[in-house]
Amino acid sequence: AQSVTQLDSHVSVSEGTPVLLRCNYSSSYSPSLFWYVQHPNKGLQLLLKYTSAATLVKGINGFEAEFKKSETSFHLTKPSAHMSDAAEYFCVVSDMNAGNMLTFGGGTRLMVKP
Amino acid sequence: DAGVIQSPRHEVTEMGQEVTLRCKPISGHNSLFWYRQTMMRGLELLIYFNNNVPIDDSGMPEDRFSAKMPNASFSTLKIQPSEPRDSAVYFCASSLTGNNRELFFGEGSRLTVL
Repeated sequence: AQSVTQLDSHVSVSEGTPVLLRCNYSSSYSPSLFWYVQHPNKGLQLLLKYTSAATLVKGINGFEAEFKKSETSFHLTKPSAHMSDAAEYFCVVSDMNAGNMLTFGGGTRLMVKP
Repeated sequence: DAGVIQSPRHEVTEMGQEVTLRCKPISGHNSLFWYRQTMMRGLELLIYFNNNVPIDDSGMPEDRFSAKMPNASFSTLKIQPSEPRDSAVYFCASSLTGNNRELFFGEGSRLTVL
């Protein structure tokens, strides 16, 4: 069975400092991994996805994530936080053994201080 | 493209009343998903359709919930009778079928049952 764990429910950073949102996954097959972002009172939007190509994936708004199979991790990073990055972030796993259905993590709320 | 359109955006009703939530997926998408989001349980998949056919409704909480997709451009989620514990944000999402598909989410319908 596939699962995903987001290690921090809340992360707080200062504007201009780096962002690290942690995600570990469990999958019985080669997974696909995604990060979605949800701004207040909005639906979820895809930030980036990993599908067995390059292990370092670049997404929108300067975010990137690195797939590390040995660590079963897919952490999301950004070099410099902006106030507009304040939102909830979801790590998502999908694999063929689960019929390509998506399993969402519990979410990490990112707060950005001025 | 207008994206996934949900209505109503907000609904306040009294316990025992029928609630109908509506969704128009992105044109050309042949998979449609209904999710429920609460603070306690996070994001839960309720049901999904492929080519208007319900594929997996194992996430539907109980018989009070039902979903239909009469055609490729419209779906409804109905709760009858509604209960206070049904209060949540309900999201509709659509995608193309296949592996590694990106889900496109609507902005959600916030339901409050008094």
